[in-house]
Amino acid sequence: ELKVEQNPLFLSMQEGKNYTIYCNYSTTSDRLYWYRQDPGKSLESLFVLLSNGAVKQEGRLMASLDTKARLSTLHITAAVHDLSATYFCAVPDMGGATNKLIFGTGTLLAVQP
Amino acid sequence: SAVISQKPSRDICQRGTSLTIQCQVDSQVTMMFWYRQQPGQSLTLIATANQGSEATYESGFVIDKFPISRPNLTFSTLTVSNMSPEDSSIYLCSVELFGDYTFGSGTRLTVV
Repeated sequence: ELKVEQNPLFLSMQEGKNYTIYCNYSTTSDRLYWYRQDPGKSLESLFVLLSNGAVKQEGRLMASLDTKARLSTLHITAAVHDLSATYFCAVPDMGGATNKLIFGTGTLLAVQP
Repeated sequence: SAVISQKPSRDICQRGTSLTIQCQVDSQVTMMFWYRQQPGQSLTLIATANQGSEATYESGFVIDKFPISRPNLTFSTLTVSNMSPEDSSIYLCSVELFGDYTFGSGTRLTVV
């Protein structure tokens, strides 16, 4: 059974600082997704990582994927308050016929001025 | 990517009643997924709905409590039956199209 874990669960950081969120998953998958969720809102797609070694960047966020280590990272550079949200990684379960998406536990990011 | 219209966006319901949530997709998709997000938690998959067959439920979820319909390739409903306060959550539908997973805007359900 595919399990997806994130750490940390909660991250309080100051504006201007850098930090990394980690996402580990338990079974083979060649893709990984990162989403952002603001309070009371649905999910916003941030990145789709499609292969080993994939790296994508958008603004102050950069995501990478190591399929051999079953690890993805979401790096935050020079955080700003607008980045405060909950971030989820998700992995498709390739063991069945549906490729259902399994979510990590989420990381609540609070950027303090 | 697909665009999903989900309704209602929110509702407050009495315990013991049922609520049906609808999702309409602008593209034909084989699978539709239904998730529950309890307060402060991650998303948990309830079931996968495939047009023309019965939905496949995840461990801990049963058809009597969460009946699903999938009458065509662009539409699905999830019913939350005989509700209790523990069913208060956000419910989201999702589809996968060309490797991209899209989510509905969610239904915030409060059971009183």
